[in-house]
Amino acid sequence: AQKITQTQPGMFVQEKEAVTLDCTYDTSDQSYGLFWYKQPSSGEMIFLIYQGSYDEQNATEGRYSLNFQKARKSANLVISASQLGDSAMYFCAMRDTGGFKTIFGAGTRLFVKA
Amino acid sequence: NAGVTQTPKFQVLKTGQSMTLQCAQDMNHEYMSWYRQDPGMGLRLIHYSVGAGITDQGEVPNGYNVSRSTTEDFPLRLLSAAPSQTSVYFCASSPGQGMSNQPQHFGDGTRLSIL
Repeated sequence: AQKITQTQPGMFVQEKEAVTLDCTYDTSDQSYGLFWYKQPSSGEMIFLIYQGSYDEQNATEGRYSLNFQKARKSANLVISASQLGDSAMYFCAMRDTGGFKTIFGAGTRLFVKA
Repeated sequence: NAGVTQTPKFQVLKTGQSMTLQCAQDMNHEYMSWYRQDPGMGLRLIHYSVGAGITDQGEVPNGYNVSRSTTEDFPLRLLSAAPSQTSVYFCASSPGQGMSNQPQHFGDGTRLSIL
């Protein structure tokens, strides 16, 4: 069965510093997709970044990058130059081979300190 | 462009009551899913659909029914509400096969309390 594990319930980071949010996954599929979403206190789900299992380059989107280590089954999110507005819940998610369903981890709550 | 619309936004039920959470999308997406979000547990998949007339169970399907009669609509039914079903419910949609790199679009959620 597929599983996503986020081991950091909460993280603190100083404004303007970089932070890494951990995500490990378990799947027997060869083809899968990994996503990160942000959920601010207002509750909406915001897509941040995507990494395909066959992508050789780590994905980047502005201040977000995904540190993808396929052999270790990890897909950590790196946020560079943290901003106060980055304070939110962050979810790692995995989509299966057929793209039919996506499962989520328990999330990491990030607090950015001024 | 409305995206994914969920109704109602808030609902309070008594134990044993039934109700339907509505979800509609206007993006012609093939895939739709229902999740529940509970503190410390992230989003857990309840049911999902890969097209009109096709549904399947997710991680936590017990106590919930779904149907997909049209591409646009994917209602979630609670048959006999229990306090354990108190949660925030999210509906999501995404394009179909061949576009698995596209993210899900989420509704704003329904906050449901069962007394």
